[in-house]
Amino acid sequence: AQKITQTQPGMFVQEKEAVTLDCTYDTSDQSYGLFWYKQPSSGEMIFLIYQGSYDEQNATEGRYSLNFQKARKSANLVISASQLGDSAMYFCAMREANSGGYQKVTFGIGTKLQVIP
Amino acid sequence: DVKVTQSSRYLVKRTGEKVFLECVQDMDHENMFWYRQDPGLGLRLIYFSYDVKMKEKGDIPEGYSVSREKKERFSLILESASTNQTSMYLCASSWTGEETQYFGPGTRLLVL
Repeated sequence: AQKITQTQPGMFVQEKEAVTLDCTYDTSDQSYGLFWYKQPSSGEMIFLIYQGSYDEQNATEGRYSLNFQKARKSANLVISASQLGDSAMYFCAMREANSGGYQKVTFGIGTKLQVIP
Repeated sequence: DVKVTQSSRYLVKRTGEKVFLECVQDMDHENMFWYRQDPGLGLRLIYFSYDVKMKEKGDIPEGYSVSREKKERFSLILESASTNQTSMYLCASSWTGEETQYFGPGTRLLVL
């Protein structure tokens, strides 16, 4: 089974509008972490936001917020007030516990967001 | 700021050549990772290392090897490059106990 599922291959949003990028995950661990990364056309992966499985509040970082619904195993990224520079690929990822103590992170296949002027 | 650098942004090699991709980080991170990224497949973990001279296979290690002789440097080696190894290669690093992986700019490798 896919550990991270991003069902939207592409999304369009009007500048200044909000957009939600979907992510569902699958794990049997109690302790895990969820991330969103942005990848502009230049190629570098940019960390956006992190949510721990025990965090009770949804994570927020500026215009980014993570809508964490643990029972539904979803971790959607909400971008408010979209800007042209938000056009990029967005990847959802999950870190699960490893017996060695180091992190192994699984990535989804990504969603391409296009912001329209 | 954390800086992760990769030796080349673009690389063109011929089938059968030995290829070295270098990654250097300047933040004393214990953990380093090599991923490949292909359209429709996302990022897939090739190898990772949690200490000098230590390495662990990821999800797709076949056809690759790695070397970590110094803490700041993690090398990915394609012993005999094949066309199906044409891809974008991303290096990342992180501290143990901290959640975020920091990525380099990536190397686009074309094997002819």
